Amino acid sequence: KAGVTQTPRYLIKTRGQQVTLSCSPISGHRSVSWYQQTPGQGLQFLFEYFSETQRNKGNFPGRFSGRQFSNSRSEMNVSTLELGDSALYLCASSLPRTVEETQYFGPGTRLLVL
Amino acid sequence: DQQVKQNSPSLSVQEGRISILNCDYTNSMFDYFLWYKKYPAEGPTFLISISSIKDKNEDGRFTVFLNKSAKHLSLHIVPSQPGDSAVYFCAASEAEGGSRLTFGEGTQLTVNP
Repeated sequence: KAGVTQTPRYLIKTRGQQVTLSCSPISGHRSVSWYQQTPGQGLQFLFEYFSETQRNKGNFPGRFSGRQFSNSRSEMNVSTLELGDSALYLCASSLPRTVEETQYFGPGTRLLVL
Repeated sequence: DQQVKQNSPSLSVQEGRISILNCDYTNSMFDYFLWYKKYPAEGPTFLISISSIKDKNEDGRFTVFLNKSAKHLSLHIVPSQPGDSAVYFCAASEAEGGSRLTFGEGTQLTVNP
């Protein structure tokens, strides 16, 4: 079974631009969560999507948004990029929590904002 | 507030010996705990998990212990191997939190040959 895939793997943007990251979950997984990893803040939860609906949201500004499609693929968008948005963005997928509670992570997208 | 804490940023052990990584939590609503291993520029790899109804779970060389009264869990790796060198993250989730994971800061484990 293929794992979680994320595209692109690396991205360089400048301040003020926007960016869209993509995540394809493991086949059969319907929950997709996004996390940001930075050296100073560690791994921080951004949001979770389940059945095309945002089910959970972390403490990030509204510039960070996401969506999920009917095939469970998810996208994350960051508008008006700031230098502090430079980070590794990780996507994780899982079955509905009542079935299995383990999240499996993709390799991440490394975003550098100049 | 840091709801999941890993107080040791680093740990160094000799090959063949036991590695013990510790994690403390403050949120009594957490009911599921996981350990992940992570290499630089890669996503975390799931290692082992434990539900709050158990106090021990074993998988090969990896054993996780949960002490609910102390709000403490630990990961034991026996025997440690050089390939185990990585950053280990403890994570927790709540029954009503969906799939949201709260992570500790991580512990860098170095296993010396």
